[in-house]
Amino acid sequence: QVQLVESGGGLVKPGGSLRLSCEASGFTFSDHYMSWIRQAPGKGLEWVSYISSSGRTIYYADSVKGRFTISRDDAKNSVYLQMNSLRAEDTAVYFCARLLWFGGRNWFDPWGQGTMVTVSS
Amino acid sequence: DIQMTQSPSSLSASVGDRVSITCRASQTVSNSLNWYQQKPGKAPKILIKAASTLYSGVPSRFSGSGSGTDFTLTISSLQLEDFATYYCQQSYSTPYTFGQGTKVEIK
Repeated sequence: QVQLVESGGGLVKPGGSLRLSCEASGFTFSDHYMSWIRQAPGKGLEWVSYISSSGRTIYYADSVKGRFTISRDDAKNSVYLQMNSLRAEDTAVYFCARLLWFGGRNWFDPWGQGTMVTVSS
Repeated sequence: DIQMTQSPSSLSASVGDRVSITCRASQTVSNSLNWYQQKPGKAPKILIKAASTLYSGVPSRFSGSGSGTDFTLTISSLQLEDFATYYCQQSYSTPYTFGQGTKVEIK
């Protein structure tokens, strides 16, 4: 079945770096856009970034622009989020999700189980 | 950025009740509006795409309506498994934005 599994979360000090990975299975990964969405503890959902199927189109939320980099490796069916210059406000569960498009509309499905990132000294 | 505002932020209801959650966008999003359900400790799951299209596998008691700036998610007869937090999300333009969530609790 279609599945996304994130990894790479953990505890990091402010100013540090972390690289999240998301491995996909059950679908043709190279055909699809992929995205990262985060959720701070007890808070709502915040879209972080997406990357097109070709890798040529990438967007970021302003809150992470210049610090985070999304990338993909179709040979490994994986999407990554390199996070640099981390701040306390980046503390969240990070979900990866497939971004589906049809008829000019798009939506996130499915989502991975999430990986927790804690930025604290 | 397009701001999404949900109301109410929380509600208490009983099994069998009809429940409606509204979502308002700060500018038009046409029908580029999705609804998700999230249970504690779990990832969100999509319920409704493009404002009113019921997603595959989602029970028919869920429905969505609206276009432009005002949208509604309705649960026709609340079931025990529906107690969760619901989020709207606009996919009209980046940055994609979510409402703050509506927590549906048991009365």
